[in-house]
Formats: sequence, C-alpha cells, structure tokens
Amino acid sequence: EAGVTQSPTHLIKTRGQQVTLRCSPISGHTSVYWYQQALGLGLQFLLWYDEGEERNRGNFPPRFSGRQFPNYSSELNVNALELEDSALYLCASSPRGAENSPLHFGNGTRLTVT
Amino acid sequence: LAKTTQPISMDSYEGQEVNITCSHNNIATNDYITWYQQFPSQGPRFIIQGYKTKVTNEVASLFIPADRKSSTLSLPRVSLSDTAVYYCLVGEKGRRALTFGSGTRLQVQP
Repeated sequence: EAGVTQSPTHLIKTRGQQVTLRCSPISGHTSVYWYQQALGLGLQFLLWYDEGEERNRGNFPPRFSGRQFPNYSSELNVNALELEDSALYLCASSPRGAENSPLHFGNGTRLTVT
Repeated sequence: LAKTTQPISMDSYEGQEVNITCSHNNIATNDYITWYQQFPSQGPRFIIQGYKTKVTNEVASLFIPADRKSSTLSLPRVSLSDTAVYYCLVGEKGRRALTFGSGTRLQVQP
C-alpha cells in the first residue's frame, strides 16, 4: 500500500510570493489534514478536509488556504509568504468515518522563505 | 479540550526499558489515547492506541489506569534508533485529536 505522498519535497521561495503544496492520501482515505512544523518545534494544526469540504481550521491567517479534490488529493496554498512561514508542512490522511483511527503522515514539504 | 502534559525530554541507554507518561486530566468518556513517534524531517508515525487497561503491540505497550487521567508508553529494550520525539494525543470529546503537544524528546545513548 502506497503511503501519503507530498510534493515537492523541498521548496525555496521569496517573501511575498505564493506557494502551492500537494498531497495524495492513502488509497481509500477520504480525510486530509495539514500541519505546520517550524524547525525544532511541535506540529501546529492547519486544516482538515473531508469529502471535499473544510471541516476544521487551526489558528492561522486567511492567507493559508486549501482545497480537496474529488479524488481526495489536496492542495495547501500560502499567499504573501513571510519569513516565519519557513517550516516543514506535513499532510496526513485517515479513512472515512473512523474518528479514532490513527493519522497516516507523509514526510512533508520543507519550505524555506528568504 | 483534553490537554496533555508530557516531560519535555528523557535520556536512556541502549537495552533499557523506557516509560513516558502523559497526563490528560480532562479526558472525555469516549476519547482514545494515541501515541506517535517522529524522527527529524519526517512525518509522525503511529505507535499505539488504547482506551483503557493495557494494549501491547510489536513495538510498545500502553498502560492506562482505571481513571484514565494518564497513560504510560513503555518501550522495551530501546536502541539508538528509538531516539525520536514521542507525542501523546487524546481525542477531543470523542472527535479526532488534532492538536499535538510539545512531545517528549527521547535520547538513547550507547
């Protein structure tokens, strides 16, 4: 079974630019979660998508947005990049309706903003 | 919300048993307790999940007392490769746990 895949693995952007990160969940998983992890810190919850709808959102400004496609893959968009957006962005997936099933994470996209 | 508290860091030696305790005083009746392991520059990996008493799998055991206000992750005979950050999550009122705490940084030495 293929795991959660994220692309690109690394990205360098300039302050003020926009970036799109992509995530493909495990086959059969309908929920996708996005987390931000700054260097040396814990995971901060960003967004949760299920069946194409945004179900929950963390404490992040509106320039962080995303969407989920009919095939359950997802994109995370960050507009007007700031230096503090430099972080590892992690995507996770879980099966439909299984509230207590563990999250399955990809290995993330390392974003560097200069 | 079921907030969790874990030690910031722990040190151990190869071959020892390591126990990491997580406090979750406000755990709700239908909340599960889930532990993840994270290596640098990788996503967290599921280790074990439980609701009450004891759960054991091929990598760890999870002990949960009757009041469920805490839980202990037990790693038998750790090796250098167990050096990682360990996170305890508790479901938020029966819904999926979304909030990761600061985790426990385990350093295993030879």
